[in-house]
Amino acid sequence: NAGVTQTPKFRVLKTGQSMTLLCAQDMNHEYMYWYRQDPGMGLRLIHYSVGEGTTAKGEVPDGYNVSRLKKQNFLLGLESAAPSQTSVYFCASSYELAGEETQYFGPGTRLLVL
Amino acid sequence: GQNIDQPTEMTATEGAIVQINCTYQTSGFNGLFWYQQHAGEAPTFLSYNVLDGLEEKGRFSSFLSRSKGYSYLLLKELQMKDSASYLCAVRDTNSGAGSYQLTFGKGTKLSVIP
Repeated sequence: NAGVTQTPKFRVLKTGQSMTLLCAQDMNHEYMYWYRQDPGMGLRLIHYSVGEGTTAKGEVPDGYNVSRLKKQNFLLGLESAAPSQTSVYFCASSYELAGEETQYFGPGTRLLVL
Repeated sequence: GQNIDQPTEMTATEGAIVQINCTYQTSGFNGLFWYQQHAGEAPTFLSYNVLDGLEEKGRFSSFLSRSKGYSYLLLKELQMKDSASYLCAVRDTNSGAGSYQLTFGKGTKLSVIP
């Protein structure tokens, strides 16, 4: 049981390049989330998904796209990377949307955009 | 929108007790979480409060007052390994990030000294 895994762990991009971050969970969770964490800003929700084939915008969705083609995977895409997207990206998943069940976080992806 | 405030940094002595406060404003409160995050790692769940009162889990306790929009995390018998950031997160039925989504505070960096 690996929990939540993220690929890659670290990446350097040039401005304008594209990339996809992969999140996978093996807990059969219905809900998945993408956050970014910046110094002095805390964790901010980018996009989330309430089930296979569904996605929704979070607090800071601009410049990102997501897809949830399979229940266990949640992909985050950057079509044209900008230096402002330099951040640490965390994926999370949860069994339920409300209630006391927590979100489980992946180890993070550090992205540097030059 | 939500406004979550917690102190930026705190220092405490090994073996002592420390209280980390969190104040919040929300229109549809639906639970408050505390997470621990060691440097370079993912957040991990510590506690959940949805009703007023104190929840105790070993050396960690969390308190909630919904009428005051206030919570605190109490860490007893501090150990060096407790040096980490502590994140307060509030779930709102209709937050700016989406229905039933978590909004995180900026975190409190706790340093435990000998």
